Amino acid sequence: TAGITQAPTSQILAAGRSMTLRCTQDMRHNAMYWYRQDLGLGLRLIHYSNTAGTTGKGEVPDGYSVSRANTDDFPLTLASAVPSQTSVYFCASSADTNTGELFFGEGSRLTVL
Amino acid sequence: GESVGLHLPTLSVQEGDNSIINCAYSNSASDYFIWYKQESGKGPQFIIDIRSNMDKRQGQRVTVLLNKTVKHLSLQIAATQPGDSAVYFCAEKLSGGSYIPTFGRGTSLIVHP
Repeated sequence: TAGITQAPTSQILAAGRSMTLRCTQDMRHNAMYWYRQDLGLGLRLIHYSNTAGTTGKGEVPDGYSVSRANTDDFPLTLASAVPSQTSVYFCASSADTNTGELFFGEGSRLTVL
Repeated sequence: GESVGLHLPTLSVQEGDNSIINCAYSNSASDYFIWYKQESGKGPQFIIDIRSNMDKRQGQRVTVLLNKTVKHLSLQIAATQPGDSAVYFCAEKLSGGSYIPTFGRGTSLIVHP
């Protein structure tokens, strides 16, 4: 079972360019999340989705957008990347929003120059 | 130990010793706590959880203790092995509503053979 698949694994992006990080899960989980991880700051929630068709803002949503057109996919888009968005991005899912057992992908390392 | 919002502490132990990783939380409305393990280059992995109506919960080689009086959570790892070397995060959930996982900044556990 693949679980959570993220793409790309790594990307270098020029400032001002747009980028979409892809996330797909095959567990039929209702809830999905995007986190960014920066050294010394732990994991910070960007956006989440309780179920297909709904999304919500997390702790650090500015500069990012998400969509949840179906259960399996939860792409994260940077419309105009800035260097402060250099980070490792993790997508996660859970059966629903009543459980703390999140399943994480392997991460996407993004460098904005 | 770790506190949600502080810098990343490090705990070094010898193989075979017991490890205790601490986490302080500030919100008395939190009613559900989770521990995650993150190995280098990988996404976080769920270890164990505990609800606020419990003081202790045991898993395989791990025990989580919850002290609601002082808002303190700990993860005990018995007979620590080199494979336990990782960053450990605690996460909390506020009572009521959807679960929005809030992670601390993590504790780095280094196990020396």
